[in-house]
Amino acid sequence: DQQVKQNSPSLSVQEGRISILNCDYTNSMFDYFLWYKKYPAEGPTFLISISSIKDKNEDGRFTVFLNKSAKHLSLHIVPSQPGDSAVYFCAAGYYSGYALNFGKGTSLLVTP
Amino acid sequence: DTGVSQNPRHKITKRGQNVTFRCDPISEHNRLYWYRQTLGQGPEFLTYFQNEAQLEKSRLLSDRFSAERPKGSFSTLEIQRTEQGDSAMYLCASSWGAGQTEAFFGQGTRLTVV
Repeated sequence: DQQVKQNSPSLSVQEGRISILNCDYTNSMFDYFLWYKKYPAEGPTFLISISSIKDKNEDGRFTVFLNKSAKHLSLHIVPSQPGDSAVYFCAAGYYSGYALNFGKGTSLLVTP
Repeated sequence: DTGVSQNPRHKITKRGQNVTFRCDPISEHNRLYWYRQTLGQGPEFLTYFQNEAQLEKSRLLSDRFSAERPKGSFSTLEIQRTEQGDSAMYLCASSWGAGQTEAFFGQGTRLTVV
């Protein structure tokens, strides 16, 4: 039972433009959300997180937006760079918990 | 400290054999997690340790899977009587604190059962 869904398996964006990666979740009790980036042959790398008490969190070029009523979050990358090409995983869980529930990932390709 | 370290990076084994993977977390991290990732899927949670205590193991995939974290330092994940369906990437992660914080992942051990 997939509680975290990333419905776009892949996304291609031109360098310098905005990349928007989307994620939906089904469990309204989740209160902590994260994005991880994964390059081939490496483990996932933490990118940015947001708790359910916020609707936006920014870190440099990366911004995560949370819409609790829609059970939807998105990751914006502005401006996109070729080095951002990777698989991005959305994850959700409980701040007081331990297990993260991951989506299947979205493969982002940033072209020059 | 260079991060979470996992060994071996790759393991090929025959069906029915036992395998053991090792994870060395970031040294000051008290929490350690094991995940499994199969092709086209995101990581799937298996088990969790806080210090040396295994606080969640109900999501281990079967009784052939077991994990230990003696003395709250490194951890091992063992799979007994491997099956072809066990072929996957096994990821270890660690974090610090009492609440959920970002977990740092190792590079994983890729298991192939032939």
